Amino acid sequence: QVQLVQSGAEVKKPGASVKVSCKASGYILTNYFMHWVRQAPGQGLEWMGIINPSGGLTSYAQKLQGRVSMTSDTATSTVYMELSSLTSEDTAVYYCARDWGSSWYYGWFDTWGQGTLVTVSS
Amino acid sequence: DIQMTQSPSSVSASVGDRVTITCRASQGIYNWLAWYQQKPGKAPKLLIYAASSLQSGVPSRFSGSGSGTDFTLTISSLQPEDFATYYCQQGNGFRSFGQGTKVEIK
Repeated sequence: QVQLVQSGAEVKKPGASVKVSCKASGYILTNYFMHWVRQAPGQGLEWMGIINPSGGLTSYAQKLQGRVSMTSDTATSTVYMELSSLTSEDTAVYYCARDWGSSWYYGWFDTWGQGTLVTVSS
Repeated sequence: DIQMTQSPSSVSASVGDRVTITCRASQGIYNWLAWYQQKPGKAPKLLIYAASSLQSGVPSRFSGSGSGTDFTLTISSLQPEDFATYYCQQGNGFRSFGQGTKVEIK
């Protein structure tokens, strides 16, 4: 079955960077775009960006431009999200989520990872 | 960016009740609208896509309607496992979510 398994929880100091992984199984990674979505404690969902694992094309939410980077490793069917210059406002659960189809601009998320808690604290 | 506004932010209901949640987009999004259910400590789960299509495996008591800017999620007869938070998501360009609606036990 289609499954996305993310790396474990992280604790980082302000100003540091964090890299979260998302390993896909049950389908061919390069056949679907992947998104990242985050959720601060007690808050709603925030879309962060999208990556095409085939070729690495990315598009990021304007709010995170310059701080976020999404990459992929097709050999291991894994996508990564790295966020730099962390502040307490980046404390959140980070999810990878598979795009439903083949359109860059239109769609939703049909499969989600289990989430990775990133805590930013001094 | 397209803003999504959900209402109400919370609703108290009993098992067997009919529950309706609305979502309004700041500009027309045709039918590029999805609904998700999220339980505490869990990832969101896709319920409805393309405004009214039921995701495989989702009970038929869930239904969606609307197009353009106004959309509705209806739970026809609330079950104990339906107490959760529900989010709408627009899929017309850069994705974005509504702020969520918490369905609580009355």
